[in-house]
Formats: sequence, C-alpha cells, structure tokens
Amino acid sequence: KQEVTQIPAALSVPEGENLVLNCSFTDSAIYNLQWFRQDPGKGLTSLLLIQSSQREQTSGRLNASLDKSSGRSTLYIAASQPGDSATYLCATVAGSGNTPLVFGKGTRLSVIA
Amino acid sequence: GAGVSQSPSNKVTEKGKDVELRCDPISGHTALYWYRQSLGQGLEFLIYFQGNSAPDKSGLPSDRFSAERTGGSVSTLTIQRTQQEDSAVYLCASSSTATVYNEQFFGPGTRLTVL
Repeated sequence: KQEVTQIPAALSVPEGENLVLNCSFTDSAIYNLQWFRQDPGKGLTSLLLIQSSQREQTSGRLNASLDKSSGRSTLYIAASQPGDSATYLCATVAGSGNTPLVFGKGTRLSVIA
Repeated sequence: GAGVSQSPSNKVTEKGKDVELRCDPISGHTALYWYRQSLGQGLEFLIYFQGNSAPDKSGLPSDRFSAERTGGSVSTLTIQRTQQEDSAVYLCASSSTATVYNEQFFGPGTRLTVL
C-alpha cells in the first residue's frame, strides 16, 4: 500500500527566501505525481503534475522534481512571497493512472513579510 | 461550467440525520472521485467512478456511505444516520482519460458538520 510522507509538516520563512518542500513515497510504481496548493477553507489547486517518465516540471517560480527510484519529489519555490502562504500537498497515482490519488498530509507554509 | 462544482458549500446536520452531497464534474470528464479531508487525518479516498464501469467503493468507511453517478455526469454522495466522526470536508475531483496525464481537478468541497 502506497504511503506518502511530507516533511516538514510546517515551515515559516521570511519573504524572498528560496525554499524546498519534500515528499517521499514508498511504492515507486507510480503513474504520476501531483503537487497541490490548499488555502484555508478552500479546495485544492493543482500546481504541477509530473509524469512517471519525467524528471521535473516548472511553472513560474515553482519547480517540481521527481526521482522515482528513490521515491522522492521536491517542490522548489523561488523568491517566496506572502501570497505563497498555504498548505502544499503531494499526491501520487499508481498503475495505469485511472486510480485514486494517495496524499501526504501536507506542509503548511507561512511566508512572513 | 469551467470547473468542478459542489453543493452545498456548508452543511450542518444533527446526528442521525441523512445528508446528500452533490458534485458536478468538468464536462466531458469520465472519471469522478470522492475524497474526505478530516482534521488531522489528511485526505482519504472514498469512491471512484470511471465511465460505465462498476465504481471502486474500497475507500468507503462504512455501509452508511453510498454514492451514485447518474448519466455519467453528476454524482451524489449520501451519508445515512450521520455520526459526529463524519464531520469533515468532502471533496470531489474529476479527470479525463482522453489525455495521458489523468490530472485530477478538484471542487471547492462541502464542509459537513454533524452536531
């Protein structure tokens, strides 16, 4: 059974800092991996999706990497801003892809102005 | 609509009552998922519909929970005889199997409070 772990559970950084959020998973037979953002009281916003054959994806100040063999993914946020404050969730899809997401418990990020 | 919608956004009910939660997926998406987000528990899968196939109910926590999807579009999650431990945010997601990505898109959720 897939288990997804995110470290740290919470992180507070000053504005402008570059930061890395970590995600690890126990079963490397994944179809893809998604990073989401969740604001308090809101649903999930998809940030980046990495297919199993890919090593990284970039969108603006965000870069996500994937190392299937070691069961790890990282989300890199450059030049953090207070508006980046949210919970960031990592989730994997197994097998053929038509399966439910398995989520980590998230990293709660606070960017202090 | 452009995204996944859910209704109601908030639901407060008394213990023992039945509730129905609704999800409208993105038009054309054949896959629909229900998840639950409980305080301190993270997001957990409940049930999954794919086209006309039998749903994957492996995540439903008890037989008080059921879901249906009519016409391959709208889905309703029903919780019978609600208990306080059912209090959570219920999230719906949809995806298209027409692309290789199978990216799941989420609705805003329904916050259920059982008194």
